[in-house]
Amino acid sequence: QSVLTQPPSVSGAPGQRVTISCTGSSSNIGAGYDVHWYQQLPGTAPKLLIYVNNNRPSGVPDRFSGSKSGTSASLAISGLQAGDEADYYCQSYDSSLSVSVFGTGTKVIVL
Amino acid sequence: QVQLQESGPGLVKPSETLSLTCTVSGGSIGYYHWSWIRQPPGKALEWIAYIYYNGSANHNPSLKSRVTMSVDTSKKQFSLKLSSVSAADTAVYYCARRADYGAFDMWGQGTVVTVSS
Repeated sequence: QSVLTQPPSVSGAPGQRVTISCTGSSSNIGAGYDVHWYQQLPGTAPKLLIYVNNNRPSGVPDRFSGSKSGTSASLAISGLQAGDEADYYCQSYDSSLSVSVFGTGTKVIVL
Repeated sequence: QVQLQESGPGLVKPSETLSLTCTVSGGSIGYYHWSWIRQPPGKALEWIAYIYYNGSANHNPSLKSRVTMSVDTSKKQFSLKLSSVSAADTAVYYCARRADYGAFDMWGQGTVVTVSS
C-alpha cells in the first residue's frame, strides 16, 4: 500500500535540474518521520541515495540532494546525466499503519 | 563490506508456502533489523517484515498472519515464510538491512518468485 505519492515520471535534458516530490500525510512525513530516497537502476536492487531527509551515504555525488517540509519531501538531481535514468523511491514510516512505507516511484528520463 | 544473498525456490504453487533465506556475509548480523521487501512486476516496493538479531519480529499487517520470520545467528542467516500464496505474491523479493535511522542501507540482489501451478 503506497501512502506516499510521487509523480510517475519526470524528465530533463543532460545538465538540467529535476525534482521529485513525495507527498505524504499527518501519519507519516507530517508526523515528523524521516524520509529516505532510493535509486533503482534497471534490473537492479534499490540503492540508498539519501537518508534522514538530506544526508548522502559515502559515494553518492553531491548532485543529489533531499529536503523535507510539512507533509512532503523532495529529491533534487542537478547536472542530470544519462546514468541517472532510473526509478526513484521515497520511504518513511507510517504510524497509523505501523509499517515502513515506500512511495509510488518516479521514473527519471534523460532526454 | 556487508553483502546479502537471497536463496530459495523461484516457483511456488498457489496455496503453498513460499520460503526464502538471506545469508549475510562480510559483517555481523547483530544489532540490526533485517528485512524482507518485495516488488511485484512493474510496481512499487512493499515492506514485508523485519526481524532483530535476538528474534523479535514485526510484519506488515496487510499480509495478516501469513508471515513467519526466523533468524540463525550462528549461520548469519534470516528467513521468510509466506503461507497460502496466490498470484498476487509473485514478485522480486529482496532482503535488506535496516539501519538505526530507519533506512534500508544494504540490499541483496533480489530473487524472483513466481506463484503458478
